[in-house]
Amino acid sequence: DTEVTQTPKHLVMGMTNKKSLKCEQHMGHRAMYWYKQKAKKPPELMFVYSYEKLSINESVPSRFSPECPNSSLLNLHLHALQPEDSALYLCASSQDRTGYNEQFFGPGTRLTVL
Amino acid sequence: GDSVTQMEGPVTLSEEAFLTINCTYTATGYPSLFWYVQYPGEGLQLLLKATKADDKGSNKGFEATYRKETTSFHLEKGSVQVSDSAVYFCALGASTGFQKLVFGTGTRLLVSP
Repeated sequence: DTEVTQTPKHLVMGMTNKKSLKCEQHMGHRAMYWYKQKAKKPPELMFVYSYEKLSINESVPSRFSPECPNSSLLNLHLHALQPEDSALYLCASSQDRTGYNEQFFGPGTRLTVL
Repeated sequence: GDSVTQMEGPVTLSEEAFLTINCTYTATGYPSLFWYVQYPGEGLQLLLKATKADDKGSNKGFEATYRKETTSFHLEKGSVQVSDSAVYFCALGASTGFQKLVFGTGTRLLVSP
């Protein structure tokens, strides 16, 4: 199984809502990532988890809160988002966090903030 | 710091034409190099990779050779199909430690029948 799954596929939320994005992989990977991708741009790294611990936070606003409940799951909790946070949110995983290893991406969650 | 430069798009081709998308990089050490493809409305898929100089990655008719002397990793395909229409990202990963995956800006490919 070389698949990373993400739910939901689409999400529309208001600025006062609280929602969560979910990501799952069963490849035994020990590094997991959240990226944000705006239209016609490459993905921008947000967070890196290595062995279930937050390893890197790329100065992401606190209205985004990541969580790694176990080695297969990664969540991104959203609260009080702004319209400019509308984007495609991609989850990825890799064997470990060294750049030598390829990252496998999920299909993404298309988020719209009203 | 490390960087990746891709040719500007869109690249517009007719079906069965030859494809080249240029990618050059700047990095210390010996990075791994990747090509990812993103079809409309989807996430990124790994297309191919190379981990050392003169390695050739290949997949689905696409090829790219890791050229250290020219710091390049150009993507080629001998005969494109309409279904190859997508955005292609060249990316670099450090060989040791962690540095975030460095992406090029992406090149959109449009193939017409």
